[in-house]
Amino acid sequence: DVKVTQSSRYLVKRTGEKVFLECVQDMDHENMFWYRQDPGLGLRLIYFSYDVKMKEKGDIPEGYSVSREKKERFSLILESASTNQTSMYLCASSPGISGNTIYFGEGSWLTVV
Amino acid sequence: AQSVAQPEDQVNVAEGNPLTVKCTYSVSGNPYLFWYVQYPNRGLQFLLKYITGDNLVKGSYGFEAEFNKSQTSFHLKKPSALVSDSALYFCAVRDTEGYNTDKLIFGTGTRLQVFP
Repeated sequence: DVKVTQSSRYLVKRTGEKVFLECVQDMDHENMFWYRQDPGLGLRLIYFSYDVKMKEKGDIPEGYSVSREKKERFSLILESASTNQTSMYLCASSPGISGNTIYFGEGSWLTVV
Repeated sequence: AQSVAQPEDQVNVAEGNPLTVKCTYSVSGNPYLFWYVQYPNRGLQFLLKYITGDNLVKGSYGFEAEFNKSQTSFHLKKPSALVSDSALYFCAVRDTEGYNTDKLIFGTGTRLQVFP
C-alpha cells in the first residue's frame, strides 16, 4: 500500500513564527502536492513538485514556500505564520503517469494564534 | 475555466436506502474523474475513478459512479447505505491545463449523513 506520512498531526503556532510541515512518501512517486482544506472551499492546491528540486505554484501559493531536496520528502514552509493560515494541510503523492491516483496523507491541523 | 461542482452541501439518507451524491464538471479535453472520501480528522481516501471505458465505474466499499458525458456529470451511488458511510465526499477532475496532468481540481465536498 502507498503510504504518505505527515509527521505532525496537530500543531499550534504563534503569529510570525516560521512553520515547517513535513511529508514523506514511500512509493518512489515523482509528484508530490500540498493542498489546503477549508470548510466550504474544498481542497485548494498550494504547491506541487514533479521532481527533486522542481516546484510549481498552485492556486494559493502566497505566504508559503516548499522544499524538495529528496524524492521522498516534500516540505511546506510558512515563513511567517498568520492567523488566516489556520487550516488543515494535506500532502499527497502520485506516480507521475497521467490518470494515476493521487494518494493523501492523514493531514496536519495547524492553528495559528 | 475548469471546475467541479457539488451542488449539495449535505445529503441525508436512511440506512438501507440508495444514496446519490452529485457531481458535475467542466474541463477541456477528456475528463479523468475521481471520488474521494474523508472520515473525521483523517486524510482523503480514494474511492474510484473514471479514465476511459465503461461509464459505470465500481469502487471501494460498494460505491459506484456513473459517467455521463452529455450531462458532464459523475454522480456517486450506492444501492444500500450504511451508517458507517457517513463522511465527507469529494469529487475531483484532472487539471488538463499545464504540464503536470496529475493535478486535481476538487469540488467543495458533500457531507453524507446516514441515519439508522
